[in-house]
Amino acid sequence: EVQLVESGGGLVKPGGSLRLSCAASRFPFSNAWMSWVRQAPGKGLEWVGRIKSKADGGAIDYATPVKGRFTISRDDSKNTLYLQMNSLSTEDTAVYYCTAEGVVGTSVFFHYWGQGALVIVSS
Amino acid sequence: DIQMTQSPSSLSASVGDRVTITCRASQTVSNLLNWYQQRPGKAPKVLIYAASSLQSGVPSRFSGSGSGTDFTLTISSLQPEDFATYYCQQSYSIPWTFGQGTKLDIK
Repeated sequence: EVQLVESGGGLVKPGGSLRLSCAASRFPFSNAWMSWVRQAPGKGLEWVGRIKSKADGGAIDYATPVKGRFTISRDDSKNTLYLQMNSLSTEDTAVYYCTAEGVVGTSVFFHYWGQGALVIVSS
Repeated sequence: DIQMTQSPSSLSASVGDRVTITCRASQTVSNLLNWYQQRPGKAPKVLIYAASSLQSGVPSRFSGSGSGTDFTLTISSLQPEDFATYYCQQSYSIPWTFGQGTKLDIK
């Protein structure tokens, strides 16, 4: 069974930084397109950004609210995805999910999900 | 960015009922529309991709339809485990965007 396990969440002060990790197992991580999706408390889902596989060019895209502050990267030798978050604000408080995208033809969807990592930005 | 709007935002229904949730995109997304179910405290789970394709392992009481800007998710006969929040999501263009969610609870 595919596993995605996030770590690195916690409490951080406004303006601070945090790095989330997502350890992947039981699927070909290096071929996967990976996304981060977040969910503020009691709110809906919001896509944060995505990194393609190196074989597909490794392009990275970000949602507007995090562009310039968040950085997505991957280490295929460690089957691990990262989310470096800088200049955090209270609006970044959320559960952050690591997802592996599924691709069927031209359709892309969030196929596998981690259990989520809670990030709280508060003074 | 493509805006996704779901209706209703909440819905009360009974076991055995047939339920339909709609999702409208602010511009065409062709058939690149996915549906997710999220139970409280859990990660979302994909139900339908490409508007009408049932994800492996998802019960056949779930179905999706639509193309362009208007889509529906139908649950033919509600089961107790179906009471959850449902989200649509477009994968037509980056940034991927979700609807605001439809919370389905027990009447």
